[in-house]
Amino acid sequence: SAVISQKPSRDICQRGTSLTIQCQVDSQVTMMFWYRQQPGQSLTLIATANQGSEATYESGFVIDKFPISRPNLTFSTLTVSNMSPEDSSIYLCSVEGGGFPGGYTFGSGTRLTVV
Amino acid sequence: GNSVTQMEGPVTLSEEAFLTINCTYTATGYPSLFWYVQYPGEGLQLLLKATKADDKGSNKGFEATYRKETTSFHLEKGSVQVSDSAVYFCALSALENQGGKLIFGQGTELSVKP
Repeated sequence: SAVISQKPSRDICQRGTSLTIQCQVDSQVTMMFWYRQQPGQSLTLIATANQGSEATYESGFVIDKFPISRPNLTFSTLTVSNMSPEDSSIYLCSVEGGGFPGGYTFGSGTRLTVV
Repeated sequence: GNSVTQMEGPVTLSEEAFLTINCTYTATGYPSLFWYVQYPGEGLQLLLKATKADDKGSNKGFEATYRKETTSFHLEKGSVQVSDSAVYFCALSALENQGGKLIFGQGTELSVKP
């Protein structure tokens, strides 16, 4: 299965600033997924990023707040813009892979705290 | 739409106790089912999976059987260890619906005491 390198692993940011999270995959993948895990909650899909096209956002998430780049088949970034304490969460990227239908591999996550 | 429901936590057990974490799902297609584990301070790792009815997924002593008749995928382990303390997520992926996206349950925190 694919190996994902995600960074930063954690950060503490000031309110009103932006943070860009990077995910690098060791193989070419068509789709990359970005999830948010709020404290004590399950994972919620933010958006799906295909190379060469605009990301597709889930209900409740918008491009202005969470712009995504997908410049090639092995890399993607998620930016959390104009942060507030409510954005404090773990953000994870994911790709399909694992040799079985519907299998996904996850990055180790970025633990974001907004103060 | 598709959904996953897990038993609420936290679950606290003594070492060597039997573990069951219930998971039921709703899906209009034929989903694949997964258990993911999140150890403290780490990202998600796939624990086990089953892709069709009556399949049994197993890994590290954990097992779960895909029961279509009861729409369930309960996680079991005969003897838990302190190192099993983590949050466990049940999830489904249905290619026929929602484009194969993973739908997660709310997670169940397991704490194993020595």
